[in-house]
Amino acid sequence: EPEVTQTPSHQVTQMGQEVILRCVPISNHLYFYWYRQILGQKVEFLVSFYNNEISEKSEIFDDQFSVERPDGSNFTLKIRSTKLEDSAMYFCASSEGGASTPLHFGNGTRLTVT
Amino acid sequence: AQSVTQPDIHITVSEGASLELRCNYSYGATPYLFWYVQSPGQGLQLLLKYFSGDTLVQGIKGFEAEFKRSQSSFNLRKPSVHWSDAAEYFCAVSGGYNKLIFGAGTRLAVHP
Repeated sequence: EPEVTQTPSHQVTQMGQEVILRCVPISNHLYFYWYRQILGQKVEFLVSFYNNEISEKSEIFDDQFSVERPDGSNFTLKIRSTKLEDSAMYFCASSEGGASTPLHFGNGTRLTVT
Repeated sequence: AQSVTQPDIHITVSEGASLELRCNYSYGATPYLFWYVQSPGQGLQLLLKYFSGDTLVQGIKGFEAEFKRSQSSFNLRKPSVHWSDAAEYFCAVSGGYNKLIFGAGTRLAVHP
């Protein structure tokens, strides 16, 4: 069964550094998402992406965050200047369509900001 | 505003016992509802979904859930729990553009 893959599985960075989290969504999917889960807390929506543009973003997704689909297969999340509170598990997801189709999640990237 | 409440943070059951995990939602229209499971160090795996029609939906791994509009609930059930079911379970509602709103999760422990 096709799956969403994320790299790296664990990223450690120093505060103020830029990080790029990478995702390869399922190939025929059209909608892409990033979610995050701070340790011990609920999974939170960050951003959705469709047709090469952001379709919705949460208040968490401020100017420090950006997403890009640089080619036909990758979907990236960039954090420009990381803060301690950005430490979390970041999940990429994709879906075939809109609200009536389920999301398929990757295994996540654990980001640790020191 | 849309929200999901999972009242039970932690549940422990014995292997072979039945299981019910509670989920209540708040959503203005007919909701799209989901249950996901997260094993340690893993991503979120879809167990089942409700969009419309039959209010009792079957999922993978022997799980089922029942949508009750009058109670704004979507409880997850399994008649006989296996040790491998130990994980964290998340209920979610879709809030437009497939933006999922998750509950806080219920951590399930299974005693042998």
